Amino acid sequence: DAMVIQNPRYQVTQFGKPVTLSCSQTLNHNVMYWYQQKSSQAPKLLFHYYDKDFNNEADTPDNFQSRRPNTSFCFLDIRSPGLGDAAMYLCATSRSGTRASNEQFFGPGTRLTVL
Amino acid sequence: GESVGLHLPTLSVQEGDNSIINCAYSNSASDYFIWYKQESGKGPQFIIDIRSNMDKRQGQRVTVLLNKTVKHLSLQIAATQPGDSAVYFCAENLGNSWGKLQFGAGTQVVVTP
Repeated sequence: DAMVIQNPRYQVTQFGKPVTLSCSQTLNHNVMYWYQQKSSQAPKLLFHYYDKDFNNEADTPDNFQSRRPNTSFCFLDIRSPGLGDAAMYLCATSRSGTRASNEQFFGPGTRLTVL
Repeated sequence: GESVGLHLPTLSVQEGDNSIINCAYSNSASDYFIWYKQESGKGPQFIIDIRSNMDKRQGQRVTVLLNKTVKHLSLQIAATQPGDSAVYFCAENLGNSWGKLQFGAGTQVVVTP
């Protein structure tokens, strides 16, 4: 089945220690998103890739970076995690262009704990 | 650790009853709306969507109503089941071409036997 996969599902890191979360998709969608979701809150968009074009949200801290080496994979790098970065990180995809659909397909998320 | 989050509005529903979840959206230019269901520890899952040229759309046990005059969206779940217990988010597409969604605050639905 076509899907959005996130690894790992649970990640523990130490304060200030860089961490990378990964997302892959078999949907061949050209848009990929990273969201941060804290407890009892809505997902908050950090950035998205439209094909290879990176688009940062204005309020996303510089501590968060992303890489998309190819259509299928996208990474979220947190350079120096703070306690406030502990959250669920969600990856999503959508198809834009000729056969566009606004629906976003979400992965299961990675729960990040910062000690 | 993670900061303490807000308390979500909660809708408590008896099994078998109908549920209605409401959402106010912010942008009159929004042209697409979507409801997601999120179970604990999982990613949001698509339920149903509606475009701004419609005011009602039905799926399996779910109906979405759109009132553009007052910028209001609702999700109706018929014959609510224990498996419907989750947080429900509405989201609006802000009229852009690549699909950015603005999520609402979410409603916790608790189904009681």
